[in-house]
Amino acid sequence: NAGVMQNPRHLVRRRGQEARLRCSPVKGHSHVYWYRQLPEEGLKFMVYLQKENIIDESGMPKERFSAEFPKEGPSILRIQQVVRGDSAAYFCASSPGQRMETQYFGPGTRLLVL
Amino acid sequence: SQQGEEDPQALSIQEGENATMNCSYKTSINNLQWYRQNSGRGLVHLILIRSNEREKHSGRLRVTLDTSKKSSSLLITASRAADTASYFCATDALSTDKLIFGTGTRLQVFP
Repeated sequence: NAGVMQNPRHLVRRRGQEARLRCSPVKGHSHVYWYRQLPEEGLKFMVYLQKENIIDESGMPKERFSAEFPKEGPSILRIQQVVRGDSAAYFCASSPGQRMETQYFGPGTRLLVL
Repeated sequence: SQQGEEDPQALSIQEGENATMNCSYKTSINNLQWYRQNSGRGLVHLILIRSNEREKHSGRLRVTLDTSKKSSSLLITASRAADTASYFCATDALSTDKLIFGTGTRLQVFP
């Protein structure tokens, strides 16, 4: 009974490159959330997706960041033209439905931009 | 900022002592949750308390919620070295699905 899986666990990119972070939710969960954690800080909400739909992207930077959750396959958080300030841990969480009380978190992807 | 705050930011205690962490938040909520994060790891859900509850227990954990003060506390009794971690509170504001996390308390338990 696998939990939320994220890959890669660690990702190193040079400034200007693209970063793709993948999240496979708990089997049967159709709601995915992405959060970002800067060093020594709490998690900050980025985006909430259901299959093929973005429900709430109020925490996403307007430029360079995009997210998708296709009908088949994992959810992808894509960061184009990365900058050093994008270095952070990115966590994905999933839940089986809307207004569910508990979100199940993955182990995170730690992005380092050189 | 919607983010809540926790205090203390850091706490160091000896094994066997109790650890108390506090969390304040800003908006009306459906529930409040506490999570633990070991260094470099993901979050582990500890306990959830609903807005109509005042106190909840789970093993060595005791959580209180005061909605009039928009605050919660997490008490870990008889702490162990394995409790060393960062602890975060998270709230879900009414009519939203996103969690709003506090800034965290870093707990160090010395053997």
